[in-house]
Amino acid sequence: AQSVTQPDIHITVSEGASLELRCNYSYGATPYLFWYVQSPGQGLQLLLKYFSGDTLVQGIKGFEAEFKRSQSSFNLRKPSVHWSDAAEYFCAVGMSGGYQKVTFGTGTKLQVIP
Amino acid sequence: SAVISQKPSRDICQRGTSLTIQCQVDSQVTMMFWYRQQPGQSLTLIATANQGSEATYESGFVIDKFPISRPNLTFSTLTVSNMSPEDSSIYLCSVRLAGGYEQYFGPGTRLTVT
Repeated sequence: AQSVTQPDIHITVSEGASLELRCNYSYGATPYLFWYVQSPGQGLQLLLKYFSGDTLVQGIKGFEAEFKRSQSSFNLRKPSVHWSDAAEYFCAVGMSGGYQKVTFGTGTKLQVIP
Repeated sequence: SAVISQKPSRDICQRGTSLTIQCQVDSQVTMMFWYRQQPGQSLTLIATANQGSEATYESGFVIDKFPISRPNLTFSTLTVSNMSPEDSSIYLCSVRLAGGYEQYFGPGTRLTVT
């Protein structure tokens, strides 16, 4: 079965600083990978996804993520964080083919300080 | 993408009662899912709502406690039965579009059981 690890429970960055949120997965084949953002009191919004091809994927709101097979990682990055980026971020992995169940990580809560 | 609405957005219920949550999608979708997000936790898949047949439940979730209906390709309900305070969570509906792998989420229903 697949699994996802987000090692950072909580991260604080200054507005304008760069951001990297870590995600490691465990899955035997090539996974489908996702990053979602959840603002307080809201549902989850898809930031970006990786299925195949270029390992650097661009998403909405200026986010990008890089798939590194050798490290089983799919880290999320943003060059300059805005106060509105404060939210909880979830990495998720899906199985290729078949039922395609998606497993979510435990989330990283991002705080942005002025 | 898909626009997903859920009703109610929040509710406070007494122990021992039941609550039915509705999920409406603006387009026909092949797969609909119900998740639970307990306070400060990640998402846990409850079941996959299958159109015209019984839902497929994940380990630890049973039909008697979480009966699900899916009468057509745009609508589903989740009932939380005989509630206890441990059922206090956010319940999220999500969908996957035909030919896609990513899931889209509704805004969630915040349930508090007293």
